[in-house]
Amino acid sequence: QSALTQPPSASGSPGQSVTISCTGTSNDIGYYNYVCWFQHHPGKAPKLIISEVTKRPSGVPDRFSGSKSGNTASLTVSGLQAEDEADYYCTSYAGRGTYVYGTGTAVTVL
Amino acid sequence: QVQLVQSGTEVKKPGASVKISCKTSGYTFTNNWIHWVRLAPGQGLQWLGQIRPSDTDNAPRFRGRVTMTADTSTSTVYMQLSSLTSEDTALYFCARDGGTYGDNEFWGQGTLVTVSS
Repeated sequence: QSALTQPPSASGSPGQSVTISCTGTSNDIGYYNYVCWFQHHPGKAPKLIISEVTKRPSGVPDRFSGSKSGNTASLTVSGLQAEDEADYYCTSYAGRGTYVYGTGTAVTVL
Repeated sequence: QVQLVQSGTEVKKPGASVKISCKTSGYTFTNNWIHWVRLAPGQGLQWLGQIRPSDTDNAPRFRGRVTMTADTSTSTVYMQLSSLTSEDTALYFCARDGGTYGDNEFWGQGTLVTVSS
């Protein structure tokens, strides 16, 4: 059960969009619609921003959106703001009660 | 409101074990899974396992080293990691799901575990 693959970094200017990919296998992302995304600011606990591939929890701005195609899930942050600078992690259910997390992507707002 | 409060910083020697507690409140303890996730220096988040009183699931890579237990009288869950190495130095989090798979809405403050000789 290997970690999901994410690009190490991504960046964009304020107001622009950035999309982060999360690649797994047919045993996790490709099979289950249980992909979540978390935003993590160092020194704080991670924050859930997307569940079940596309759902935004209450209070999460609609600038954050999720999608999935095949074995790859994606998170798009539109209208980048300074406070979006953080690490982002995907996770997927992998069957038999187990989960796998992504390698993480550091987003920089230029 | 839902709260998860973890035990404090631990320093352990290689080969030892560590046991971290996560005291929950603000919801019915038996209704939700509690996940254990860690963040190691230079590495991403890693899933260790989950527990709902009387049910547990472990990540394959930690199977045999991670033991999770729950005390329903105090709504507290525990995670013990054995045979520690320096690679287990990390910030360990407990987190409660939101009712579906992996949607950890509520997190503890984290427990720093340092493994050093």
